[in-house]
Amino acid sequence: SQQGEEDPQALSIQEGENATMNCSYKTSINNLQWYRQNSGRGLVHLILIRSNEREKHSGRLRVTLDTSKKSSSLLITASRAADTASYFCATDALSSSNSGYALNFGKGTSLLVTP
Amino acid sequence: GAVVSQHPSWVICKSGTSVKIECRSLDFQATTMFWYRQFPKQSLMLMATSNEGSKATYEQGVEKDKFLINHASLTLSTLTVTSAHPEDSSFYICSAREGGQGHNEQFFGPGTRLTVL
Repeated sequence: SQQGEEDPQALSIQEGENATMNCSYKTSINNLQWYRQNSGRGLVHLILIRSNEREKHSGRLRVTLDTSKKSSSLLITASRAADTASYFCATDALSSSNSGYALNFGKGTSLLVTP
Repeated sequence: GAVVSQHPSWVICKSGTSVKIECRSLDFQATTMFWYRQFPKQSLMLMATSNEGSKATYEQGVEKDKFLINHASLTLSTLTVTSAHPEDSSFYICSAREGGQGHNEQFFGPGTRLTVL
């Protein structure tokens, strides 16, 4: 499956700072989504941006999408210790098995927010 | 929002046994269900896609005889790990999508942690 690349792999910041994570992908997409996962837990859906959208906001989250560069970014403003988690981008695209559309996940960014 | 449940949430088994994991969509009909696997500190890897009433389509490198998927109804899919071995220990996550135009979102279950001794 096509898997996006995210950078950085790990990010450590202090509370109140902004955190920016980037995601790049390879094929055409229907939409791109960002998820959060606390250690050993399930996924939490954060935001979905469609291929014809360029920017989307949700609370302290801001997502951009540049389909010409096949890249997206997630910005978390005024971070809190509770934001500590792994963040994954996922592209909704045809799966490599051609069984239809499925979400393919990037490698993730591990965010640590220290008080 | 749409809810997907998984059962069990964790399981420990001996090497050579088979383990069945259930995935249910609780408040919507899931035309398509997906199974993912996640090893520690790694991302989710799509294993297979199943449409209700038809055989699952497996991603490259996933053994269909080892990971049996059944999607017999619009609200239930099962993944059976046959003759499990320690290398099959992983976090298995299912996901479900409603059918039809405009239903783009996949809803994820909470995952099942499998440990094979």
